[in-house]
Amino acid sequence: AQSVTQLDSQVPVFEEAPVELRCNYSSSVSVYLFWYVQYPNQGLQLLLKYLSGSTLVESINGFEAEFNKSQTSFHLRKPSVHISDTAEYFCAAGNTGGFKTIFGAGTRLFVKA
Amino acid sequence: DVKVTQSSRYLVKRTGEKVFLECVQDMDHENMFWYRQDPGLGLRLIYFSYDVKMKEKGDIPEGYSVSREKKERFSLILESASTNQTSMYLCASSLMSGNQPQHFGDGTRLSIL
Repeated sequence: AQSVTQLDSQVPVFEEAPVELRCNYSSSVSVYLFWYVQYPNQGLQLLLKYLSGSTLVESINGFEAEFNKSQTSFHLRKPSVHISDTAEYFCAAGNTGGFKTIFGAGTRLFVKA
Repeated sequence: DVKVTQSSRYLVKRTGEKVFLECVQDMDHENMFWYRQDPGLGLRLIYFSYDVKMKEKGDIPEGYSVSREKKERFSLILESASTNQTSMYLCASSLMSGNQPQHFGDGTRLSIL
C-alpha cells in the first residue's frame, strides 16, 4: 500500500535561515508527488508538484523540492525563510489510475525573528 | 481559479443531532473528497466521490455518510453526532486523474457538545 512519511512534526527556524522539510514515500507504482501549505484557519493550497520530467520543481515563492527515486524522497527546501512562511506543510502522493491522494501527517514550520 | 466553498466556518452542535456539512465546487471537477484533520494525525479521508451518485469509503467512514446528487455539491452527514467527531472538516475537489492536485475549501471547525 502507498504511504507518505514526514519525518519531522515541527521545525523551528530563524528568519533568513535555510530550511528542509523531509518527506519519504513508498509505492510500488509510478507516483505523482505534491507539497501543500496550510496557513492558520485556512484550507490546504498546492505549493508545488512533481509529475514527470525534471526532478527539481520550484514554487513561485522560493520553495523547491527534488524527486529522488532511489531514496524514495521528495524533500522541500527553501534557502532563506520569512516569518510569513510559518504554516503547516503536507507532503502527498497520488498514482496512475488512482482516485485518492495519500497525505503525510504534516510538518509545522515555525519561523522566528 | 477553482473555488471550493464550505457552507460554515464554525459549527456547534449537540450530541445525538444529525449534522449536515455542505461543499460546493465551481470547476466541474469529477472527484470530491471529505477529510477530517486532527492534530498529529494529518488528514484522514472519510469518503470520496468520483461521479454523481457514486461514493466510496475512505479510511474512517464509521459514523458518517455522504450524498452527491449534483456534480458540484458533496454533502457530509453525521447521522448521530458524538463528541469524538469534534474536528476540522475539509472538503476538496479534483479532476479525475491521479496526477491532478486537489483544491480545498477553508474548512469547517465542528464542535459537538
